Amino acid sequence: GDSVTQMEGPVTLSEEAFLTINCTYTATGYPSLFWYVQYPGEGLQLLLKATKADDKGSNKGFEATYRKETTSFHLEKGSVQVSDSAVYFCALSARGTSYGKLTFGQGTILTVHP
Amino acid sequence: NAGVTQTPKFQVLKTGQSMTLQCAQDMNHEYMSWYRQDPGMGLRLIHYSVGAGITDQGEVPNGYNVSRSTTEDFPLRLLSAAPSQTSVYFCASRKAVSTEAFFGQGTRLTVV
Repeated sequence: GDSVTQMEGPVTLSEEAFLTINCTYTATGYPSLFWYVQYPGEGLQLLLKATKADDKGSNKGFEATYRKETTSFHLEKGSVQVSDSAVYFCALSARGTSYGKLTFGQGTILTVHP
Repeated sequence: NAGVTQTPKFQVLKTGQSMTLQCAQDMNHEYMSWYRQDPGMGLRLIHYSVGAGITDQGEVPNGYNVSRSTTEDFPLRLLSAAPSQTSVYFCASRKAVSTEAFFGQGTRLTVV
């Protein structure tokens, strides 16, 4: 079935460091891909998305490119801030036999120190 | 705009009790889902719906029932609560397969 694998966390960085959170997926068909962010005590909110191969999603300085050949959607940011501390989830929305399912990875906790 | 509304926010149940977690959305979204969030496990899909009258199981459906009689509402029923169902539950809705999901604020459930 469809699945999403994220890099193990937690990730701890200093302010202004470069961030990469790896995400790979397994899916039938061509899924849509998403990154969601969850701040403490809140629900999830969309950070960015890409709906077809080679699309780049971007928002608030974060970027991710839909790579069909490597089935990946890695999240990057050039210079993180303390306010970026949160849990980040990679997700896919199936188009094949599991049409309509939205499947999440296990989440990566990011802590940014001043 | 209300968005996705979940009730209650907190609940304590005794083992064996049943209850219903409510979820309502006012965005006329076809797709709705229930997830549970446990430490180190991410969000695991319990049940989902692609429209009124249509539901399907996710990866952890045992012990839970759903129905979707209207577009707006997607309640989750715990049939006989067990301590293993202690978790934070999130409801989400979205307009289409390629669009973003909107999440409720969550229900923190403790089963003792």
